[in-house]
Amino acid sequence: GAGVSQTPSNKVTEKGKYVELRCDPISGHTALYWYRQSLGQGPEFLIYFQGTGAADDSGLPNDRFFAVRPEGSVSTLKIQRTERGDSAVYLCASRGGGSGELFFGEGSRLTVL
Amino acid sequence: QKEVEQNSGPLSVPEGAIASLNCTYSDRGSQSFFWYRQYSGKSPELIMSIYSNGDKEDGRFTAQLNKASQYVSLLIRDSQPSDSATYLCAVKGAAGNKLTFGGGTRVLVKP
Repeated sequence: GAGVSQTPSNKVTEKGKYVELRCDPISGHTALYWYRQSLGQGPEFLIYFQGTGAADDSGLPNDRFFAVRPEGSVSTLKIQRTERGDSAVYLCASRGGGSGELFFGEGSRLTVL
Repeated sequence: QKEVEQNSGPLSVPEGAIASLNCTYSDRGSQSFFWYRQYSGKSPELIMSIYSNGDKEDGRFTAQLNKASQYVSLLIRDSQPSDSATYLCAVKGAAGNKLTFGGGTRVLVKP
């Protein structure tokens, strides 16, 4: 597809479990962003990648959160020992070239019971 | 102080009127400013970008930037019910490519 693809679209898990969320950006986009959005709030920045490296991970809330982008394309956001407060929609976006525009995926809704 | 601040609303406007949305930011060195629209249950989509002081018009939308006051606004002319959504202000800081979003302003256009 031409857009940003995120899987799964919905994930329900139990407190303490491990979760992986995947993002497949627009082909050729070198920059990839992860945001977290809670109901009624704006997207909260987590991390962004330029190529394979994390250029800015200042938004990761704690060491339970980790993200990788090993080949500079697909990225995985990993959450260990999930807590109920991690419940949110996790948005991925990609950006190409010098354009400032971010193209968002439809998000992965995470519910921690 | 939040990095990007918006009034959460809801901003209720009658159909055909002008909706005026405001955003302030804290990083004085910020250079790039964006307005995204987000429909309920959907992901954000870009509607306007602005990089220099003054006004920028695109169809029914006008973005206004005042870097001295650290203020950016969005005007929606001839508001339509389909404009009912949350409008997110986003700012790229002076360093790097991190894009920070405000909390969004919910707009309701009433027929």
